[in-house]
Amino acid sequence: EPEVTQTPSHQVTQMGQEVILRCVPISNHLYFYWYRQILGQKVEFLVSFYNNEISEKSEIFDDRFSVERPDGSNFTLKIRSTKLEDSAMYFCASSAGTGSQPQHFGDGTRLSIL
Amino acid sequence: KQEVTQIPAALSVPEGENLVLNCSFTDSAIYNLQWFRQDPGKGLTSLLLIQSSQREQTSGRLNASLDKSSGRSTLYIAASQPGDSATYLCAARNAGNMLTFGGGTRLMVKP
Repeated sequence: EPEVTQTPSHQVTQMGQEVILRCVPISNHLYFYWYRQILGQKVEFLVSFYNNEISEKSEIFDDRFSVERPDGSNFTLKIRSTKLEDSAMYFCASSAGTGSQPQHFGDGTRLSIL
Repeated sequence: KQEVTQIPAALSVPEGENLVLNCSFTDSAIYNLQWFRQDPGKGLTSLLLIQSSQREQTSGRLNASLDKSSGRSTLYIAASQPGDSATYLCAARNAGNMLTFGGGTRLMVKP
């Protein structure tokens, strides 16, 4: 069964550095998402992306965050000037459409900011 | 702003029991509600999606129901097995594409 893949599985970065999290969505999907889950807390929406632009973003997704689909297969989340509070599990998801289509999630990247 | 709550936070049952997990949401203007399973250190596996116009969805031993007017959904697991042990999350989708998640129910099925 097709799946969403994320790399790396664990990323350790010094505070203030930039980090890029990578995702390969399911191949025929058109909608892409990033969520995060801080340890012990709920999964939180960050951003949705369609047709090469952001369609929706949350308050968490401030100007340190950006997303990009650099080619036909990858979808990336970049965080600049990382802070300790950015430490979390970051999940990428994709869906074939909206409305009746489920979102499918990857296994996540655990980001640790030191 | 949508708020999603799951009760209980944790549940331990003997193998073979039928069980019900609860999910409630404050804004009934949802497009759909999705149930997920999360194993430790893993991502979210989609189990069932119920459209706002539907009352229930079934997949194998799983049955999810939706009552929009009361802001509730339940996930029924029949004849539970140790392999069902995981955290179960519900997520509501309102206008737009974002999912709003509950805190999850951590299920342990004892052999």
